[in-house]
Amino acid sequence: GENVEQHPSTLSVQEGDSAVIKCTYSDSASNYFPWYKQELGKRPQLIIDIRSNVGEKKDQRIAVTLNKTAKHFSLHITETQPEDSAVYFCAASKGYSTLTFGKGTMLLVSP
Amino acid sequence: SQTIHQWPATLVQPVGSPLSLECTVEGTSNPNLYWYRQAAGRGLQLLFYSVGIGQISSEVPQNLSASRPQDRQFILSSKKLLLSDSGFYLCAWTFGGGEGELFFGEGSRLTVL
Repeated sequence: GENVEQHPSTLSVQEGDSAVIKCTYSDSASNYFPWYKQELGKRPQLIIDIRSNVGEKKDQRIAVTLNKTAKHFSLHITETQPEDSAVYFCAASKGYSTLTFGKGTMLLVSP
Repeated sequence: SQTIHQWPATLVQPVGSPLSLECTVEGTSNPNLYWYRQAAGRGLQLLFYSVGIGQISSEVPQNLSASRPQDRQFILSSKKLLLSDSGFYLCAWTFGGGEGELFFGEGSRLTVL
């Protein structure tokens, strides 16, 4: 089955800096890669996703890049703000299979 | 629009007691339904998923069970809770077929004492 590795497990940045979270996946047939943000005590919510026919997608301060050859994808957050502090999960799936999640990255943005 | 409701939000149960968590989805038909668990505030572990009424797939063998008695209702149960069952339980759904965004419920925090 699919295996998703996520790094780093914890990331501390200063407000205004950029943050990058990286994930690798094992199944070359995977074609859907979402990112979820989970604030403390709350439910995970989708912030951005990308499909395998696209190499990059951007939404304001967040962007996701996908390298199908290397089987890795990354989340980029620019101009970080304290409200970006949360746990971020990457995931991968193919077709109609269930999502496989990474173990999560706790992002701490200090004012 | 679609909504998902999950309850109870919080519960404290003694070891050996039964458990029932309920989840309902409104505004869509034939959704795929899921139960996840988070222990220690990290990691989303898929416990069960269902593609239709009465159809349950188990990802992790344990003392929990799931049922789908109606199209948009998903129940997580246990006959006898263990200390290790403590955690944050999340119900979720996707549109029928399972592709695309996964929508999570508000979660149920279970503490087993």
